[in-house]
Amino acid sequence: SAVISQKPSRDICQRGTSLTIQCQVDSQVTMMFWYRQQPGQSLTLIATANQGSEATYESGFVIDKFPISRPNLTFSTLTVSNMSPEDSSIYLCSVDFWAGDGHTDTQYFGPGTRLTVL
Amino acid sequence: GENVEQHPSTLSVQEGDSAVIKCTYSDSASNYFPWYKQELGKRPQLIIDIRSNVGEKKDQRIAVTLNKTAKHFSLHITETQPEDSAVYFCAATQGEYGNKLVFGAGTILRVKS
Repeated sequence: SAVISQKPSRDICQRGTSLTIQCQVDSQVTMMFWYRQQPGQSLTLIATANQGSEATYESGFVIDKFPISRPNLTFSTLTVSNMSPEDSSIYLCSVDFWAGDGHTDTQYFGPGTRLTVL
Repeated sequence: GENVEQHPSTLSVQEGDSAVIKCTYSDSASNYFPWYKQELGKRPQLIIDIRSNVGEKKDQRIAVTLNKTAKHFSLHITETQPEDSAVYFCAATQGEYGNKLVFGAGTILRVKS
């Protein structure tokens, strides 16, 4: 599997500000995803980060609130804009990795970024 | 779109007993079904997965079964140990060619010693 890192690991932010979260993989991957995990809840897909093109957002998530960059095959960023306390969550990136059986849909997760908005 | 339901929401078992977690999905085109284990404060870890052309897969104490007709799949953990205590999530791909995963709500498994 790939080694996935995220920065920062946690942050406490004031409402109205923005935070950019970085996701770095140690090998090239085709698909990168961003998820949100609210306290005690499951994982919800925010968007798919596409290399060289705009991200694809899921219903309920918009680019103005969660702009995403994917400048190359090993790196992506997610920005949480104009934050409110409701944005307090864990944000996780994941990557599709070659499973060795002809499939590329095996997803591995980064360690997550714990965001608290005051 | 895909909808994944997971039961039970919490499960307490005695050490050494078996644990079974069940999931149902709605999209008949889904073809990949992973299970993740998430310990407190940690990232979700893939523990086992199954594809639609297989009915059962086993890895030591963990097994997954898939019934495509009924659109449900289950995680079986035998000889449970305290370190099995965690939250378990099932997931299913959205559509036949999709890479996107839709997750169940999660099951809190407590193994009592």
